[in-house]
Amino acid sequence: EVQLVESGGGLVQPGGSLRLSCEGSGFTFSSYWMIWVRQAPGKGLEWVANIKQDESEIYYVDSVKGRATISRDNAKNSLYLEMNNLRAEDTALYYCARDNQGGFDIWGQGTMVTVSS
Amino acid sequence: QSVLTQSPSASGTPGQRVTISCSGSSSNIGSNTVNWYQQLPGTAPKLLIYSNNQRPSGVPDRFSGSKSGTSASLAISGLQSEDEADYYCATWDDSLNGWVFGGGTKLTVL
Repeated sequence: EVQLVESGGGLVQPGGSLRLSCEGSGFTFSSYWMIWVRQAPGKGLEWVANIKQDESEIYYVDSVKGRATISRDNAKNSLYLEMNNLRAEDTALYYCARDNQGGFDIWGQGTMVTVSS
Repeated sequence: QSVLTQSPSASGTPGQRVTISCSGSSSNIGSNTVNWYQQLPGTAPKLLIYSNNQRPSGVPDRFSGSKSGTSASLAISGLQSEDEADYYCATWDDSLNGWVFGGGTKLTVL
C-alpha cells in the first residue's frame, strides 16, 4: 500500500523547536519531489516547503524562511521538517505529501503542532 | 488573504451542477497548470484534478476542470451528498517561487 505517515508533532512553547518526520512506503520515495503543507485549525491549506529528489532544489514559504529546514533521507524513505523559533501562528496540522509531476497525489494523515505557553 | 481567490462557499441540490472558480494572476494560473483538491471533513486532502483537467484514477467523471487565462474552474455534475467538502485550487507561482493555494470553497449539498 502506498502511504505516508507523519510523526513528531506535539505541544511546544513559543520560541521552541520541533522536528517532524514523514515516512513513505509502497513507492520509490527517491523518485519524487516531496512537500510539507500545513492547515491551521479551521483554516485553509498552506504550502510550507518542498524538496527535490536529490535535495538540489528547496523552497520555503516566506513565513518560515530562516526558521525551517526541510530535508530527506532517501535510504530511509523519510522526509523531515525542522522548525525553530516557533510562533503561535505555526500552530497547525502538518501534512507531508508526494508531488507527482505537480499534483500532490499521496498525503499523510497529518501531525499536529501546537505552539503555546 | 490567499494568492488565489475562491468564493468561500457554494451550494447545490442533489443532481445539480455546481461550478467553483479560482482566480489568480499571470505569475501563477496564467503561467502554470492548476490542480484541485477535495478535503472531506476530518480527513487529509485528496487530489481531484491535476494539470487543469486531468482526473486521477478513481475520480468520477462527474468532476471536471478547466482553465482560461488567469482563472480556473472545477465543475461537479450530478451533485451527491458525499460531495459535501472543502475544495482547494493550487498552482505554482513563478514570482513567489512557491506553491499557492486558494482559500478554499466549502460546498454544501442542500
